[in-house]
Amino acid sequence: SAVISQKPSRDICQRGTSLTIQCQVDSQVTMMFWYRQQPGQSLTLIATANQGSEATYESGFVIDKFPISRPNLTFSTLTVSNMSPEDSSIYLCSVLGSGKLFFGSGTQLSVL
Amino acid sequence: SQQGEEDPQALSIQEGENATMNCSYKTSINNLQWYRQNSGRGLVHLILIRSNEREKHSGRLRVTLDTSKKSSSLLITASRAADTASYFCATELTGGGNKLTFGTGTQLKVEL
Repeated sequence: SAVISQKPSRDICQRGTSLTIQCQVDSQVTMMFWYRQQPGQSLTLIATANQGSEATYESGFVIDKFPISRPNLTFSTLTVSNMSPEDSSIYLCSVLGSGKLFFGSGTQLSVL
Repeated sequence: SQQGEEDPQALSIQEGENATMNCSYKTSINNLQWYRQNSGRGLVHLILIRSNEREKHSGRLRVTLDTSKKSSSLLITASRAADTASYFCATELTGGGNKLTFGTGTQLKVEL
C-alpha cells in the first residue's frame, strides 16, 4: 500500500489566479495520476505523470492550463492556472500499486 | 463518453439490508475494480476482479463480473450506517496502459 499526503485540503481562490496542489508519497512510485471530480460527478483523468518525462494529458486537458511537475519518484505537483469558476472541483492525486489505485485525500477547490 | 455506467444513481436502504449496485462498461477490460468515497474525499479501493474471474468475495462484499454482458455488480450484505458513501466502479481497459476509467457512481445511504 501507499500513503499519500495531499495539500492543501481545500482552498477558495479568485478568478484569474493559479493554485498549486502538492502530493507526497511515502514510497517510490513510477506512475502518478491526477484526477478531477466536478461537483456530483465521477472522476476524470487529467494526466499521467512519470518521473523524468513530460506528463501525458488526456483529451480535453492541456499543459498550459494544468502544468504538472514530477521532480522525483515520491513527489508531484499539479497547478490549476488562470482559474475560472468552472475549475471548481475536487482534485485528486493517486498512485498505482499492485494494480490498484491509492488516493490522496483530495483538494476541494472553489473559484469565485 | 463514460466507460462505466452505474445504476442506481442513488440507493437508500435500512441497516441490515443488502445493497446491490450495478456497473456496465463498453469495451474489453483487463480488470474491474470497485472504490468507495466518503464525503467527496479520497477514494478507497475495495476489490478487484480480473477479466477471467466471475466472482470474488471480501468480507461483506461480493462482486460478480459477466464479460459477455460487460457488466459487474457489487453486493454489500448486512449493511451498516457506516457503509453510507459513494461507490464507483473502475475499469482497466485492455491496452489501456494501467489507466483506470471510473463509472458514474452510486450514492448509498444506509439509515438506522
